[in-house]
Amino acid sequence: DAGVIQSPRHEVTEMGQEVTLRCKPISGHDYLFWYRQTMMRGLELLIYFNNNVPIDDSGMPEDRFSAKMPNASFSTLKIQPSEPRDSAVYFCASSQSSYEQYFGPGTRLTVT
Amino acid sequence: GEDVEQSLFLSVREGDSSVINCTYTDSSSTYLYWYKQEPGAGLQLLTYIFSNMDMKQDQRLTVLLNKKDKHLSLRIADTQTGDSAIYFCAENKGANNLFFGTGTRLTVIP
Repeated sequence: DAGVIQSPRHEVTEMGQEVTLRCKPISGHDYLFWYRQTMMRGLELLIYFNNNVPIDDSGMPEDRFSAKMPNASFSTLKIQPSEPRDSAVYFCASSQSSYEQYFGPGTRLTVT
Repeated sequence: GEDVEQSLFLSVREGDSSVINCTYTDSSSTYLYWYKQEPGAGLQLLTYIFSNMDMKQDQRLTVLLNKKDKHLSLRIADTQTGDSAIYFCAENKGANNLFFGTGTRLTVIP
């Protein structure tokens, strides 16, 4: 298996623009997680899905952030409008009804 | 405390043992994990331990768990330069999501 795939790997955008991050989980995994990593706050869980249904979105910072999982093999995290303080590395992870999460390589977002 | 706590930095000489410590928060955590993050990469699961165990060994890695003190440690024997990375401790608090520590940056000096 190719592992968790994220795209793009790097994104540079201007403040106010919409940003969409994409994730393909490992085939057969039924949990999908979105995390954000910054120097100041470390690794934060934003939202997670089970069988494509959002279970806990309490980590989503504000209404500018939204996440969807239209099917078992694809999820998006959207920021609209983006702000400089959203600059971070965003990770997607997946797991198979167990506690072992497998992480993607991350998307480094820079908002200028 | 409410947060998983780790020291931020550790430096060791190549060939020595490294011990990375973690204090977790919830005695109901079923599993405790160690993840490794190399520069520019995602987190990689290194090892994990079930809460009813007090030790797990996997090649150069030894995990020790003290449930009474909620203390977890990772020992890396014969540390190599390739072990330089950030190491994260995580607990599941009985749920399906994980709670990560701040990470310990291990620097191996040749």
